[in-house]
Amino acid sequence: QKEVEQNSGPLSVPEGAIASLNCTYSDRVSQSFFWYRQYSGKSPELIMSIYSNGDKEDGRFTAQLNKASQYVSLLIRDSQPSDSATYLCAPETGNQFYFGTGTSLTVIP
Amino acid sequence: DAGVIQSPRHEVTEMGQEVTLRCKPISGHDYLFWYRQTMMRGLELLIYFNNNVPIDDSGMPEDRFSAKMPNASFSTLKIQPSEPRDSAVYFCASRGVSGRSHYNEQFFGPGTRLTVL
Repeated sequence: QKEVEQNSGPLSVPEGAIASLNCTYSDRVSQSFFWYRQYSGKSPELIMSIYSNGDKEDGRFTAQLNKASQYVSLLIRDSQPSDSATYLCAPETGNQFYFGTGTSLTVIP
Repeated sequence: DAGVIQSPRHEVTEMGQEVTLRCKPISGHDYLFWYRQTMMRGLELLIYFNNNVPIDDSGMPEDRFSAKMPNASFSTLKIQPSEPRDSAVYFCASRGVSGRSHYNEQFFGPGTRLTVL
């Protein structure tokens, strides 16, 4: 059973702050990792992918990966109310994505 | 590219009826995935295809569920007979080389919200 653990939240941060979202996974074989954002009533939207240990930055988003610790995180800088959504962590193993249950983020204006 | 297309967007049916959900993947993508999402269980993989061939259907909940992919641009997920516990949002997703995407990045369709009364 491949497990993906995320803090379900809700996580609340003030506008302009850094939001930190964490994810641990059980399958050591996983090589690719993805973060999806899902607004209420909408489909998951890919926002970040990371394949190597370390940090990867894309605009206000930074993904961090530590394969030894089986840990991946997403930082959102200068959080905006439009970032309020559920964020899904998805490691990939053998062509399959294993989704966590997501962390609900609320950015308070 | 239009992205992954799903139809219908909403479906309300009565218990015992047959339900057919449809999906058109992104052109050129060679993987297609069917997921189900509920509040209780989150996002679950039901089945996926590679080059129109079913690879893993271990997530299909029972024999009432079936999926086909007759060609590279069309797939169906059928539930017969439907039950109230099948009520969920069903997503189709595809993966492959297109545009700026990395090969193994997966893109979701808008989903079909199914309600079985």
